[in-house]
Amino acid sequence: GAGVSQSPSNKVTEKGKDVELRCDPISGHTALYWYRQRLGQGLEFLIYFQGNSAPDKSGLPSDRFSAERTGESVSTLTIQRTQQEDSAVYLCASSSAFGEQFFGPGTRLTVL
Amino acid sequence: QKEVEQNSGPLSVPEGAIASLNCTYSDRGSQSFFWYRQYSGKSPELIMFIYSNGDKEDGRFTAQLNKASQYVSLLIRDSQPSDSATYLCAVRGSSASKIIFGSGTRLSIRP
Repeated sequence: GAGVSQSPSNKVTEKGKDVELRCDPISGHTALYWYRQRLGQGLEFLIYFQGNSAPDKSGLPSDRFSAERTGESVSTLTIQRTQQEDSAVYLCASSSAFGEQFFGPGTRLTVL
Repeated sequence: QKEVEQNSGPLSVPEGAIASLNCTYSDRGSQSFFWYRQYSGKSPELIMFIYSNGDKEDGRFTAQLNKASQYVSLLIRDSQPSDSATYLCAVRGSSASKIIFGSGTRLSIRP
């Protein structure tokens, strides 16, 4: 496919469990972003990868959150010891050098 | 001061009228400006981008950029109920810097 894909589309987990969310960006896009969006709220920036540069992790809310990206391909966002306040839609977006972002469909995370 | 500011709305516009959405930004060196539309329960989708001062038109949409005033706007002509959504303004500084989003303006087109 030509778009950004994310998996799983939905994830229900129990408080205290770890979860891993995956993002497959558009081929050739050098930049990749993760956002969190709580119900009825705006986009909350989490982390930004740009090529081989060190990622901008300034948006990660706690050390329970981490993300990795291999080269210019797949990225995974890991949330350890999930809490109920982590429930949200997690969006991934990739962009080319021009900067236009294309978003994936998101992963809806529910922590019980 | 927020880096990218938008009025949260809701902005209510009658069908067929012009909807005007505004955005201001704090980084005077910003170079790229984007407008996204987000329907409820969906991901944001890019509708316009603008890099140079002035107007850029695409169908019913016009993006306007004024770098001196650090202001970017989106006009939607002949507004339709299907235009009801949240509109997000996004700004990028240099080519390597991350994009910053505003909190969005909720637009409602009333029939």
